[in-house]
Amino acid sequence: AQKVTQAQTEISVVEKEDVTLDCVYETRDTTYYLFWYKQPPSGELVFLIRRNSFDEQNEISGRYSWNFQKSTSSFNFTITASQVVDSAVYFCALSDSDMDTGRRALTFGSGTRLQVQP
Amino acid sequence: KAGVTQTPRYLIKTRGQQVTLSCSPISGHRSVSWYQQTPGQGLQFLFEYFSETQRNKGNFPGRFSGRQFSNSRSEMNVSTLELGDSALYLCASTSEQGARSNEQFFGPGTRLTVL
Repeated sequence: AQKVTQAQTEISVVEKEDVTLDCVYETRDTTYYLFWYKQPPSGELVFLIRRNSFDEQNEISGRYSWNFQKSTSSFNFTITASQVVDSAVYFCALSDSDMDTGRRALTFGSGTRLQVQP
Repeated sequence: KAGVTQTPRYLIKTRGQQVTLSCSPISGHRSVSWYQQTPGQGLQFLFEYFSETQRNKGNFPGRFSGRQFSNSRSEMNVSTLELGDSALYLCASTSEQGARSNEQFFGPGTRLTVL
Protein backbone atom coordinates (compact mmCIF):
# COMPACT_ATOMS: atom_id res chain seq x y z
CA ALA A 1 0.00 0.00 0.00
CA GLN A 2 1.11 3.51 -0.69
CA LYS A 3 1.56 6.03 2.05
CA VAL A 4 2.59 9.67 2.31
CA THR A 5 3.64 11.15 5.63
CA GLN A 6 3.82 14.83 6.39
CA ALA A 7 4.91 14.86 9.99
CA GLN A 8 4.65 18.63 10.41
CA THR A 9 1.05 19.49 11.14
CA GLU A 10 1.56 23.23 11.42
CA ILE A 11 4.48 25.57 10.95
CA SER A 12 4.55 29.24 11.84
CA VAL A 13 7.30 31.52 10.57
CA VAL A 14 7.90 35.22 10.29
CA GLU A 15 7.98 36.80 6.87
CA LYS A 16 11.30 36.45 5.03
CA GLU A 17 12.27 33.32 6.90
CA ASP A 18 13.06 30.19 4.92
CA VAL A 19 10.88 27.17 5.65
CA THR A 20 11.10 23.52 4.64
CA LEU A 21 8.10 21.22 4.48
CA ASP A 22 8.90 17.55 4.84
CA CYS A 23 7.38 14.68 2.90
CA VAL A 24 8.21 10.98 3.22
CA TYR A 25 6.56 8.39 1.05
CA GLU A 26 6.21 4.63 0.79
CA THR A 27 5.54 2.68 -2.37
CA ARG A 28 6.43 -0.65 -3.93
CA ASP A 29 6.18 0.76 -7.42
CA THR A 30 9.37 1.46 -9.32
CA THR A 31 7.62 4.06 -11.45
CA TYR A 32 5.67 6.71 -9.65
CA TYR A 33 5.07 10.43 -9.50
CA LEU A 34 5.32 12.83 -6.61
CA PHE A 35 3.45 16.09 -6.36
CA TRP A 36 3.10 19.14 -4.19
CA TYR A 37 -0.14 21.08 -4.02
CA LYS A 38 -1.05 24.29 -2.22
CA GLN A 39 -4.51 24.77 -0.76
CA PRO A 40 -5.32 28.38 0.16
CA PRO A 41 -8.37 29.19 2.30
CA SER A 42 -10.54 29.23 -0.84
CA GLY A 43 -10.17 25.44 -0.96
CA GLU A 44 -8.89 24.89 -4.46
CA LEU A 45 -5.81 22.69 -4.75
CA VAL A 46 -3.14 24.52 -6.73
CA PHE A 47 -0.61 22.36 -8.54
CA LEU A 48 3.01 23.29 -7.71
CA ILE A 49 5.23 20.54 -9.06
CA ARG A 50 5.37 16.99 -10.38
CA ARG A 51 8.43 14.80 -10.19
CA ASN A 52 8.75 11.29 -11.61
CA SER A 53 10.68 8.56 -9.90
CA PHE A 54 13.45 8.55 -12.47
CA ASP A 55 14.29 12.20 -12.11
CA GLU A 56 16.13 12.98 -8.92
CA GLN A 57 17.29 16.39 -9.98
CA ASN A 58 16.40 19.11 -7.57
CA GLU A 59 14.29 21.86 -8.95
CA ILE A 60 14.05 25.55 -8.25
CA SER A 61 11.23 27.79 -9.32
CA GLY A 62 11.53 31.31 -8.02
CA ARG A 63 11.36 31.15 -4.24
CA TYR A 64 10.34 27.48 -4.31
CA SER A 65 12.72 24.54 -4.43
CA TRP A 66 12.28 20.82 -4.13
CA ASN A 67 14.70 18.16 -2.93
CA PHE A 68 13.87 14.62 -4.09
CA GLN A 69 15.92 11.81 -2.55
CA LYS A 70 14.97 8.26 -3.46
CA SER A 71 17.45 6.83 -0.97
CA THR A 72 15.43 8.27 1.90
CA SER A 73 12.04 8.27 0.11
CA SER A 74 11.69 11.96 0.71
CA PHE A 75 10.47 14.87 -1.38
CA ASN A 76 10.93 18.03 0.63
CA PHE A 77 9.76 21.49 -0.32
CA THR A 78 11.53 24.71 0.66
CA ILE A 79 10.16 28.23 0.44
CA THR A 80 12.86 30.86 0.54
CA ALA A 81 12.12 34.30 1.96
CA SER A 82 8.55 33.39 2.85
CA GLN A 83 5.74 35.86 2.31
CA VAL A 84 2.32 36.25 3.92
CA VAL A 85 0.73 35.07 0.65
CA ASP A 86 2.45 31.72 1.15
CA SER A 87 0.13 30.99 4.07
CA ALA A 88 -1.84 27.91 3.11
CA VAL A 89 -2.02 24.17 3.62
CA TYR A 90 0.53 22.28 1.55
CA PHE A 91 -0.03 18.70 0.47
CA CYS A 92 2.46 16.18 -0.78
CA ALA A 93 0.98 13.42 -2.94
CA LEU A 94 2.05 10.20 -4.60
CA SER A 95 0.58 8.91 -7.81
CA ASP A 96 -0.45 5.32 -8.08
CA SER A 97 0.11 5.18 -11.81
CA ASP A 98 -0.54 1.94 -13.57
CA MET A 99 1.49 2.39 -16.73
CA ASP A 100 -0.43 -0.34 -18.58
CA THR A 101 -3.94 0.90 -17.98
CA GLY A 102 -3.17 4.52 -17.21
CA ARG A 103 -5.15 4.32 -14.01
CA ARG A 104 -4.24 7.02 -11.54
CA ALA A 105 -5.06 7.80 -7.99
CA LEU A 106 -3.30 10.31 -5.79
CA THR A 107 -2.45 9.34 -2.26
CA PHE A 108 -2.18 12.50 -0.21
CA GLY A 109 -0.34 13.26 2.97
CA SER A 110 -2.27 14.89 5.79
CA GLY A 111 -0.98 18.32 4.87
CA THR A 112 1.13 20.96 6.59
CA ARG A 113 -0.49 24.24 7.51
CA LEU A 114 1.97 27.08 6.98
CA GLN A 115 1.33 30.41 8.63
CA VAL A 116 3.57 33.27 7.65
CA GLN A 117 3.32 36.17 10.05
CA PRO A 118 4.07 39.70 8.85
CA LYS B 1 -7.65 27.58 -21.31
CA ALA B 2 -10.45 27.52 -18.81
CA GLY B 3 -9.77 25.51 -15.68
CA VAL B 4 -11.76 22.74 -14.08
CA THR B 5 -15.24 23.87 -13.12
CA GLN B 6 -17.48 22.32 -10.51
CA THR B 7 -21.11 22.98 -9.78
CA PRO B 8 -22.66 23.74 -7.47
CA ARG B 9 -20.09 25.29 -5.19
CA TYR B 10 -22.17 24.80 -2.05
CA LEU B 11 -24.92 22.39 -1.15
CA ILE B 12 -26.93 21.72 1.95
CA LYS B 13 -28.86 18.47 2.17
CA THR B 14 -30.50 16.41 4.88
CA ARG B 15 -29.79 12.85 5.87
CA GLY B 16 -31.30 10.28 3.56
CA GLN B 17 -31.40 12.55 0.53
CA GLN B 18 -29.28 12.08 -2.53
CA VAL B 19 -27.04 14.56 -4.30
CA THR B 20 -25.42 14.96 -7.70
CA LEU B 21 -22.27 16.98 -8.24
CA SER B 22 -20.93 18.04 -11.61
CA CYS B 23 -17.43 18.54 -12.97
CA SER B 24 -16.27 19.89 -16.31
CA PRO B 25 -12.61 19.12 -17.01
CA ILE B 26 -10.10 21.24 -18.83
CA SER B 27 -10.73 21.18 -22.55
CA GLY B 28 -8.96 18.22 -24.10
CA HIS B 29 -8.58 16.29 -20.85
CA ARG B 30 -10.34 12.96 -20.88
CA SER B 31 -9.50 11.73 -17.39
CA VAL B 32 -11.54 12.96 -14.44
CA SER B 33 -10.91 11.96 -10.85
CA TRP B 34 -12.94 12.69 -7.72
CA TYR B 35 -11.67 13.17 -4.19
CA GLN B 36 -13.32 13.69 -0.84
CA GLN B 37 -11.73 15.99 1.72
CA THR B 38 -12.78 15.89 5.37
CA PRO B 39 -11.03 17.17 8.50
CA GLY B 40 -10.83 13.67 9.92
CA GLN B 41 -9.82 11.59 6.92
CA GLY B 42 -8.05 14.18 4.81
CA LEU B 43 -8.03 13.86 1.04
CA GLN B 44 -9.21 10.51 -0.22
CA PHE B 45 -9.55 9.19 -3.75
CA LEU B 46 -13.08 8.28 -4.79
CA PHE B 47 -12.86 7.20 -8.43
CA GLU B 48 -11.46 8.00 -11.84
CA TYR B 49 -13.17 8.07 -15.21
CA PHE B 50 -11.62 7.94 -18.63
CA SER B 51 -13.51 7.84 -21.90
CA GLU B 52 -16.80 7.25 -20.10
CA THR B 53 -15.43 4.25 -18.20
CA GLN B 54 -14.57 3.97 -14.55
CA ARG B 55 -11.02 2.70 -14.50
CA ASN B 56 -10.10 3.11 -10.86
CA LYS B 57 -12.04 3.16 -7.63
CA GLY B 58 -11.18 4.05 -4.07
CA ASN B 59 -12.44 2.46 -0.90
CA PHE B 60 -15.88 4.02 -0.59
CA PRO B 61 -19.29 2.39 -0.18
CA GLY B 62 -21.58 1.79 -3.11
CA ARG B 63 -23.63 4.86 -2.18
CA PHE B 64 -20.94 6.81 -4.00
CA SER B 65 -21.16 6.49 -7.74
CA GLY B 66 -20.21 8.44 -10.80
CA ARG B 67 -20.32 8.61 -14.52
CA GLN B 68 -18.68 10.39 -17.39
CA PHE B 69 -20.25 11.69 -20.55
CA SER B 70 -18.92 11.72 -24.09
CA ASN B 71 -17.79 15.34 -23.68
CA SER B 72 -15.70 14.23 -20.66
CA ARG B 73 -17.92 16.02 -18.16
CA SER B 74 -18.42 13.93 -15.08
CA GLU B 75 -21.01 13.65 -12.35
CA MET B 76 -20.81 11.97 -9.00
CA ASN B 77 -23.82 10.89 -7.01
CA VAL B 78 -24.17 10.15 -3.34
CA SER B 79 -27.34 8.39 -2.29
CA THR B 80 -28.84 8.06 1.17
CA LEU B 81 -26.69 10.83 2.58
CA GLU B 82 -25.15 10.45 6.01
CA LEU B 83 -23.80 13.14 8.30
CA GLY B 84 -20.29 11.86 7.62
CA ASP B 85 -20.64 12.66 3.94
CA SER B 86 -20.24 16.35 4.76
CA ALA B 87 -17.05 17.25 2.96
CA LEU B 88 -15.37 19.20 0.22
CA TYR B 89 -15.61 17.19 -2.99
CA LEU B 90 -12.84 17.94 -5.43
CA CYS B 91 -12.67 17.04 -9.06
CA ALA B 92 -9.42 16.82 -11.00
CA SER B 93 -8.74 16.52 -14.69
CA THR B 94 -5.62 15.02 -16.17
CA SER B 95 -3.97 15.33 -19.51
CA GLU B 96 -3.07 11.99 -21.01
CA GLN B 97 -0.51 13.34 -23.40
CA GLY B 98 2.47 15.56 -23.67
CA ALA B 99 4.88 16.97 -21.18
CA ARG B 100 2.13 17.63 -18.65
CA SER B 101 0.67 14.15 -18.63
CA ASN B 102 -0.07 12.76 -15.18
CA GLU B 103 -0.53 16.24 -13.77
CA GLN B 104 -3.90 16.48 -12.06
CA PHE B 105 -5.52 19.92 -12.05
CA PHE B 106 -8.20 20.50 -9.48
CA GLY B 107 -11.41 22.44 -9.53
CA PRO B 108 -12.62 24.72 -6.71
CA GLY B 109 -14.65 21.95 -5.14
CA THR B 110 -18.22 21.52 -4.00
CA ARG B 111 -18.76 21.91 -0.29
CA LEU B 112 -21.53 19.55 0.81
CA THR B 113 -23.14 19.91 4.21
CA VAL B 114 -25.46 17.16 5.42
CA LEU B 115 -27.81 18.11 8.24
